[in-house]
Amino acid sequence: AQTVTQSQPEMSVQEAETVTLSCTYDTSESDYYLFWYKQPPSRQMILVIRQEAYKQQNATENRFSVNFQKAAKSFSLKISDSQLGDAAMYFCAYRILYNQGGKLIFGQGTELSVKP
Amino acid sequence: GAVVSQHPSWVICKSGTSVKIECRSLDFQATTMFWYRQFPKQSLMLMATSNEGSKATYEQGVEKDKFLINHASLTLSTLTVTSAHPEDSSFYICSASPGQDPYEQYFGPGTRLTVT
Repeated sequence: AQTVTQSQPEMSVQEAETVTLSCTYDTSESDYYLFWYKQPPSRQMILVIRQEAYKQQNATENRFSVNFQKAAKSFSLKISDSQLGDAAMYFCAYRILYNQGGKLIFGQGTELSVKP
Repeated sequence: GAVVSQHPSWVICKSGTSVKIECRSLDFQATTMFWYRQFPKQSLMLMATSNEGSKATYEQGVEKDKFLINHASLTLSTLTVTSAHPEDSSFYICSASPGQDPYEQYFGPGTRLTVT
């Protein structure tokens, strides 16, 4: 069975600094997607970034980038120039490409606080 | 685009009564919808996957007779919590997928259920 592990329950970063959130996963599949979602206090899930496993290039979205290490089954999120609005719960998630209705498997989450 | 709504956003009901939560895709047709449950400071736990016009697939440990899911149209899925008890109090989130590559899931804003 696929599992997703986030080993950092809480992280803190100074405004304008850089922070990296860790995620590891376990799967025997070769084709899958990985995601980072943000859940602010409103609890609305927001997609931050997506990585296709078949792509070697790391995904980037403005201040957000990932370090995808397929062999190590590692998928970390780097947030540059942190802003107060980045404070939220961050979830790493895995999805098989086509089977099982495309359901998402979430990690435990990392609560990020940003200090002014 | 890709907006998912949930209604109600917050509901309080008495123990022993049933409550229905609606999930609607507003600007796309959702082939598949997912229902999640989230406790405070915890991750999203998938309860069931529903495809339009067919029976929902429940995750292991989820009581299908207690959590009734109906996906009667391509834009509407409902979750009915039957004979609710205080332990059913939680945050319920739905997501919807248009069922086409990349099978993106779009999340609703969630419903807070409090059973007294």
